[in-house]
Amino acid sequence: AQRVTQPEKLLSVFKGAPVELKCNYSYSGSPELFWYVQYSRQRLQLLLRHISRESIKGFTADLNKGETSFHLKKPFAQEEDSAMYYCALSGRLLFNKFYFGSGTKLNVKP
Amino acid sequence: GAGVSQSPSNKVTEKGKDVELRCDPISGHTALYWYRQRLGQGLEFLIYFQGNSAPDKSGLPSDRFSAERTGESVSTLTIQRTQQEDSAVYLCASSPGGLYSPLHFGNGTRLTVT
Repeated sequence: AQRVTQPEKLLSVFKGAPVELKCNYSYSGSPELFWYVQYSRQRLQLLLRHISRESIKGFTADLNKGETSFHLKKPFAQEEDSAMYYCALSGRLLFNKFYFGSGTKLNVKP
Repeated sequence: GAGVSQSPSNKVTEKGKDVELRCDPISGHTALYWYRQRLGQGLEFLIYFQGNSAPDKSGLPSDRFSAERTGESVSTLTIQRTQQEDSAVYLCASSPGGLYSPLHFGNGTRLTVT
């Protein structure tokens, strides 16, 4: 069965430090991976998706099929990056359904 | 235009009562999803509507849960005979319906069963 694992509930870093939020998945088909973000008092929204190979707000994520991972990275964290981050999985075998991890709270300290 | 709208934003109910949660998707979005988020946990898929196709109900946890959608508009999630373990935030999302289209989430309904 499909599964998304985010091992860290909370990640605290200082401003300017690199940050990596971990995401591992389990899926028998070819995966499509996404990162969603929820800032304080805002709705959950898409941050980036593997299929677009984009960098949003300085964040990037690389799909590693060998390690079944899709870690989110940013070289220099900013205070405004503090938020809840959710990794999500879809794929053809999932018929356009999306499965989410339990989320990681990122706290960027000044 | 307006985003996904959910009502009520908060609902407190007694164990055993039925509740109805409402979701108004973004106009023109053919796909609609319901998720449940228990405290400290991730989003749990409940049900997925796509256009006029039969809904994918594979995530509904029990037969006390049901959902309907009228065409490509409003959806209601009904929980019958609520239990304390039903306490959670219920999130609705809509999307244009294309393959892997981004989900647009509502603010959720926080349900508390006492």
